[in-house]
Amino acid sequence: SQTIHQWPATLVQPVGSPLSLECTVEGTSNPNLYWYRQAAGRGLQLLFYSIGIDQISSEVPQNLSASRPQDRQFILSSKKLLLSDSGFYLCAWSQNSGTQYFGPGTRLLVL
Amino acid sequence: QQPVQSPQAVILREGEDAVINCSSSKALYSVHWYRQKHGEAPVFLMILLKGGEQKGHEKISASFNEKKQQSSLYLTASQLSYSGTYFCGHGSSNTGKLIFGQGTTLQVKP
Repeated sequence: SQTIHQWPATLVQPVGSPLSLECTVEGTSNPNLYWYRQAAGRGLQLLFYSIGIDQISSEVPQNLSASRPQDRQFILSSKKLLLSDSGFYLCAWSQNSGTQYFGPGTRLLVL
Repeated sequence: QQPVQSPQAVILREGEDAVINCSSSKALYSVHWYRQKHGEAPVFLMILLKGGEQKGHEKISASFNEKKQQSSLYLTASQLSYSGTYFCGHGSSNTGKLIFGQGTTLQVKP
């Protein structure tokens, strides 16, 4: 069966510091991968999606970037965090245009 | 364009029914429904792929009206475990990306 992992689970970072969040999927190959952000009490905002290695589309211009160094690994990065980057970051995977399955998420607090 | 969900929030007593609507200004390729408990990741409920499709799982079902560009989620005889925020998402045919509505918060009280 397929599983999706995210780490770390929680993170507290100062403004201006770098960020790296990781997501890995097991039990499937060539998945579509997605990064979402959810501000407190708000909806799910799609940040990036990827249909293959080095094929990444950005949905929202911001100070975040994404990379996919391996088929089942998706990384969300920032060089300098802003206060507004705080939120719940969710990674998801799907096969083609099917159902998306979410990872457990990373809760980020920027101080 | 983000789908619009209604109502924004609903409070029920156990055993009562609820309907959550999701409408879009764009033609819908597919509609996906998720439930999110506080502090947790969204959990998939069901996907509807074509107009007229209806699906159900236990006492939760959904319909998809392609012409009206809307979907509805029906919760029958609600249980305490139904509490959470429900999101609809409409899907793209080629990328699989979803654009989610703003969510509907459902609270079921004893």
